[in-house]
Amino acid sequence: DGGITQSPKYLFRKEGQNVTLSCEQNLNHDAMYWYRQDPGQGLRLIYYSQIVNDFQKGDIAEGYSVSREKKESFPLTVTSAQKNPTAFYLCASSGWERGLYTEAFFGQGTRLTVV
Amino acid sequence: RKEVEQDPGPFNVPEGATVAFNCTYSNSASQSFFWYRQDCRKEPKLLMSVYSSGNEDGRFTAQLNRASQYISLLIRDSKLSDSATYLCVVEDAGNMLTFGGGTRLMVKP
Repeated sequence: DGGITQSPKYLFRKEGQNVTLSCEQNLNHDAMYWYRQDPGQGLRLIYYSQIVNDFQKGDIAEGYSVSREKKESFPLTVTSAQKNPTAFYLCASSGWERGLYTEAFFGQGTRLTVV
Repeated sequence: RKEVEQDPGPFNVPEGATVAFNCTYSNSASQSFFWYRQDCRKEPKLLMSVYSSGNEDGRFTAQLNRASQYISLLIRDSKLSDSATYLCVVEDAGNMLTFGGGTRLMVKP
């Protein structure tokens, strides 16, 4: 089945550690996105990528890094520079048809907790 | 001004009521519009795409008003299970998808 997979579902991190969240899609989508969601809040864009080997900062990129070495994969690293990383992280992808982006599909999310 | 704006709500309505949400967008060249539903602690899921001519799916109707730059979602005969956050999504000036902050709906018995 085609889809987008995030792992792990739950992640605990000690202060000062870097952690990497995985996002893989087999939908052949060009665009991939990372969002952060805090309790009771909307989605905030961290990074997005429209093509392999290229990505752009979103609204809250500080303390995060990404790579897009393969079309299928868009991992997010939460670095120790991110002061308040506890949140729900969502990865999404969208395709491109007839000059328009198609709807986004989301992974199930990763809940990151700093302990 | 945010590129995509929604009233955060919450909208509290009784079962059986009709409720409507609007979402305004700033980029007049936007071409793609969607409504998503997000349940608590879950990922957003596509509810429906919004076409220029408007579209309907059962109790749900989506409309696009290009002149005033907003999209709307109408829910008829609200069910308890409709309680969720509804997100609008617009293709923005950078040709990527931008999410609104969401509108929370609570349907009461």
